[in-house]
Amino acid sequence: DVKVTQSSRYLVKRTGEKVFLECVQDMDHENMFWYRQDPGLGLRLIYFSYDVKMKEKGDIPEGYSVSREKKERFSLILESASTNQTSMYLCASSVRGYNSPLHFGNGTRLTVT
Amino acid sequence: QQQVKQSPQSLIVQKGGIPIINCAYENTAFDYFPWYQQFPGKGPALLIAIRPDVSEKKEGRFTISFNKSAKQFSLHIMDSQPGDSATYFCAASSLFSGSARQLTFGSGTQLTVLP
Repeated sequence: DVKVTQSSRYLVKRTGEKVFLECVQDMDHENMFWYRQDPGLGLRLIYFSYDVKMKEKGDIPEGYSVSREKKERFSLILESASTNQTSMYLCASSVRGYNSPLHFGNGTRLTVT
Repeated sequence: QQQVKQSPQSLIVQKGGIPIINCAYENTAFDYFPWYQQFPGKGPALLIAIRPDVSEKKEGRFTISFNKSAKQFSLHIMDSQPGDSATYFCAASSLFSGSARQLTFGSGTQLTVLP
């Protein structure tokens, strides 16, 4: 079974702090994704990566950056956290391919105060 | 902008009922349409998916109906059970560049099946 592990289940940070969300997958998947989930808005893609050191902006990249130095690890960085970044953050991975399913972690609930 | 529009936002049915969740899209570049199921405290997981050259796909009690000309697709859950209570997301996949693909999700439907 594919396992996608997000380092924290809950995080509370202060406005202006630099925040790192870490994600590790154990199945050698090429693709990795960061989504944020908000009620009524569904899952919105922040960034994704289809190879080591590669990154592509999703639909809502503003205020975020990412890092993928190793194939199994994909980090989401909030350079200066703001209250409107309070959300559930979901990491996912997949193999390349037309119908490859996304495998999600259980999410990190980030609260910025 | 919401590229994949999903309705209703919430749905309550009795056990044995047939909840129906609808999705619509505009982008004709979408070429694969999965549904994901999410239980509280868990990430979404793939439930069932359909290609646009097929009008219906059934897996157990779950059926996707697809209308390419109307750019609409829907999920039907036959003989629904309390254990089906979850949030359901429709999604649409498109090619981003090379072989990389991007998945766009609907806003989600919170389904409650009453015992």
